[in-house]
Amino acid sequence: EAAVTQSPRNKVAVTGGKVTLSCNQTNNHNNMYWYRQDTGHGLRLIHYSYGAGSTEKGDIPDGYKASRPSQENFSLILELATPSQTSVYFCASGDAGGTEVFFGKGTRLTVV
Amino acid sequence: GDSVTQTEGLVTLTEGLPVMLNCTYQSTYSPFLFWYVQHLNEAPKLLLKSFTDNKRPEHQGFHATLHKSSSSFHLQKSSAQLSDSALYYCALSDRGGANTGKLTFGHGTILRVHP
Repeated sequence: EAAVTQSPRNKVAVTGGKVTLSCNQTNNHNNMYWYRQDTGHGLRLIHYSYGAGSTEKGDIPDGYKASRPSQENFSLILELATPSQTSVYFCASGDAGGTEVFFGKGTRLTVV
Repeated sequence: GDSVTQTEGLVTLTEGLPVMLNCTYQSTYSPFLFWYVQHLNEAPKLLLKSFTDNKRPEHQGFHATLHKSSSSFHLQKSSAQLSDSALYYCALSDRGGANTGKLTFGHGTILRVHP
């Protein structure tokens, strides 16, 4: 069964601190994505990747970095966390056409 | 760029009545369209996709028809069930140029079905 695992599931961070959200997939998908979900905005794409070593900016990349060290792993990095980055973050993996995309269970991040 | 519009933020229905959730899109190319469903405290999951070899896509009683002339992909069901209560997203995948597989989502529509 398709599996995307996110860690941590919940995180409280302080303003100005560094936060790393991790994602692992066992689907052997080339594409991986990071979205944030906010009421009234739906799912917004932050960064995505076509494969190991590649990262692409999505629609709202400011304040975020991404890293894809391997086919299986894709991290989202907040170097200087701000309260506006309080949100639920979803990682997903998908085939090259975006026709088979599976989401992780999400990470709830609170920046205080 | 690509965009997806879902005009209703909240739809409230009585069980047994028909469901229709609206979705329109803008895209430079001819994209794939999807409906995702997200139940409370769960991950979004694929419900329907638009390219099933000329067949109307159906799943769990839901169906949607891609109308390229009106750039629409509305979600319909003949009879709502309590278990249909969830957040529904319309999304598109860009097929232009090198197929990026980038998924663009609408803002979502909450469907609440009551007895």
